[in-house]
Amino acid sequence: DAKTTQPNSMESNEEEPVHLPCNHSTISGTDYIHWYRQLPSQGPEYVIHGLTSNVNNRMASLAIAEDRKSSTLILHRATLRDAAVYYCILARGGTSYGKLTFGQGTILTVHP
Amino acid sequence: DAGVTQSPTHLIKTRGQQVTLRCSPKSGHDTVSWYQQALGQGPQFIFQYYEEEERQRGNFPDRFSGHQFPNYSSELNVNALLLGDSALYLCASSHSGRNFFGPGTRLTVL
Repeated sequence: DAKTTQPNSMESNEEEPVHLPCNHSTISGTDYIHWYRQLPSQGPEYVIHGLTSNVNNRMASLAIAEDRKSSTLILHRATLRDAAVYYCILARGGTSYGKLTFGQGTILTVHP
Repeated sequence: DAGVTQSPTHLIKTRGQQVTLRCSPKSGHDTVSWYQQALGQGPQFIFQYYEEEERQRGNFPDRFSGHQFPNYSSELNVNALLLGDSALYLCASSHSGRNFFGPGTRLTVL
């Protein structure tokens, strides 16, 4: 499985944007970039995924570098409820057909 | 529509015992995966079931086995429990492109 590298932790203030980076230099052409987050005492929650183009949904935006060797999850206005562990994961095609390989993730702390 | 449900929420067992964990997927989801999450670590893939067959398996010993029923619900069985099996066990169901995780079962092995 191709590996991702994320910072161990990041901090943000409430209502400010947050940019969570992820490096994946060994990504293959068929790997999709997925982001999940895990709030305390809960299972992981899907955030967003993409292949080549930038993606937006109601939760976040995903910016993918042109060479696809890195990506950034953008939370446009952090709230206290966004405090969680964020995982950047590479998966072949649609994840319903394959396993998700989680790393350590980035612990996001949001200050009021 | 209920999300993914798991039972029990917490469980305490002793070494050598056997345990069965249960998962009900989201309505209409035919694929169920199981993950083990040790404290402070990311979830690790155990196996995935589709149409009542094990489709993929992670790097876990044969002590870990599973089953999927015709209604898509699933069980995870662990035999000969070790202290190192203490973890949060997560079930995820999926249909197309997204995984939905349950809240997990916290297993403590004493």
